[in-house]
Amino acid sequence: QVQLVESGGGVVQPGGSLRLSCAASGFTFSGCGMHWVRQAPGKGLEWVAFIRSDGSTKFYADSVKGRFTISRDNSRNTLYLQMNSLRAEDTAVYYCAKDPTPEPVWGQGTMVTFSS
Amino acid sequence: EIVMTQSPATLSVSPGERATLSCRASQSVRSNLVWYQQKPGQAPRLLIYGASTRATGIPARFSGSGSGTEFTLTISSLQSEDFAVYYCHHYNNWPPTWTFGQGTQVEIK
Repeated sequence: QVQLVESGGGVVQPGGSLRLSCAASGFTFSGCGMHWVRQAPGKGLEWVAFIRSDGSTKFYADSVKGRFTISRDNSRNTLYLQMNSLRAEDTAVYYCAKDPTPEPVWGQGTMVTFSS
Repeated sequence: EIVMTQSPATLSVSPGERATLSCRASQSVRSNLVWYQQKPGQAPRLLIYGASTRATGIPARFSGSGSGTEFTLTISSLQSEDFAVYYCHHYNNWPPTWTFGQGTQVEIK
């Protein structure tokens, strides 16, 4: 079955960096656009970024543009999110998700938190 | 930018009663509309996609309707496991950006 498994979350300091990964299985990863979505504690869902199936096109939310980079390795069936210049407001659970074809599929998420 | 607005913010319903949740788009989104259920500590669970198609394994008491700017999620007879937060989600074809409603909390009356 279609499965997405995120990893790489953890505790960071403001200004730090972190790379999240999302391992995909059960579908043709190289044929699907992929997204990252996040959810701050007690808050709603916020779309973060998209990457086209071949990696040629990327889109970002204004809140992360210039700090986050989405990428993928189709040979490894893996999606990435490189997060730099992290801020306290980036604290959230980060989900990867498959573009609706016809329905979206989400992973279980990985948590990014900040140390004081 | 399309804005998705859900109402009400909180819905108090007794078990066995019908619940009707609304989602309004600031401009037409055709049928590019998804509904999720989310419980504390869990990822969103897909209920409805394409505005009205139930996802695999979703009970028939969940139904979605609407197109354009007005959408409705109906739970025909609330069960104890249905008390949760519900989100609507618009996916744009191109550019492929996603927009979410702010959520509706369905609580026990």
